Amino acid sequence: DIQMTQSPSFLSASVGDRVTITCRASQDISSYLAWYQQKPGKVPKLLIYAASTLRSGVPSRFSGSGSGTDFTLTISSLQPEDVATYYCQKYDSAPLTFGGGTKVAIK
Amino acid sequence: EVQLVESGGGLVKPGGSLRLSCAASGFTFSNAWMNWVRQTPGKGLEWVGRIRSKTGGGTTEYAAPVKGRFAISRDDSKNTLYLQMNSLKTEDTAMYYCYRAGGNWGQGTLVTVSS
Repeated sequence: DIQMTQSPSFLSASVGDRVTITCRASQDISSYLAWYQQKPGKVPKLLIYAASTLRSGVPSRFSGSGSGTDFTLTISSLQPEDVATYYCQKYDSAPLTFGGGTKVAIK
Repeated sequence: EVQLVESGGGLVKPGGSLRLSCAASGFTFSNAWMNWVRQTPGKGLEWVGRIRSKTGGGTTEYAAPVKGRFAISRDDSKNTLYLQMNSLKTEDTAMYYCYRAGGNWGQGTLVTVSS
């Protein structure tokens, strides 16, 4: 099975900072990669699919890039409401594995 | 408005069974590929399995830890997804979510496996 590895597992940044989260697949998954945001006590919310397509309604400060095995989620200017855990997920074929998550906090 | 509402969670002893339901509304359920995901308190997300739409073959796929014990089914006439969980283990304790491929998630139902 393909493994999904996220890094870092935790990051702390200041409001307004550019934040980058990395997700690496153990094999080529083309662009079948989604990013989710889960705020404390809430249900995960889809942010990005097809590696770089922003879901309708998601703020434009979020962006995704990559294909094959290496992907990134970027928050161009971190806001207090972005405090959450972020997960990547492959969906090329089963199992639809999630990454381990990246917890983002405000410094 | 798309809604997914899970039910059926609760406390069950190891070795027991439970059936979860996910009632869908606000979209054409019969066309949707549906998934189950679980999350242990304070831990990450774990994909459990999925079922394709009938036109997609209606087939199911499962994560290794639940294969052979869990079964996903759907009743398109009732717009409802099911997760039959048998031979439950303490490590199956988690919040269980259904979600539609494309981004809509339910609020989850808690399953606790404990003696």
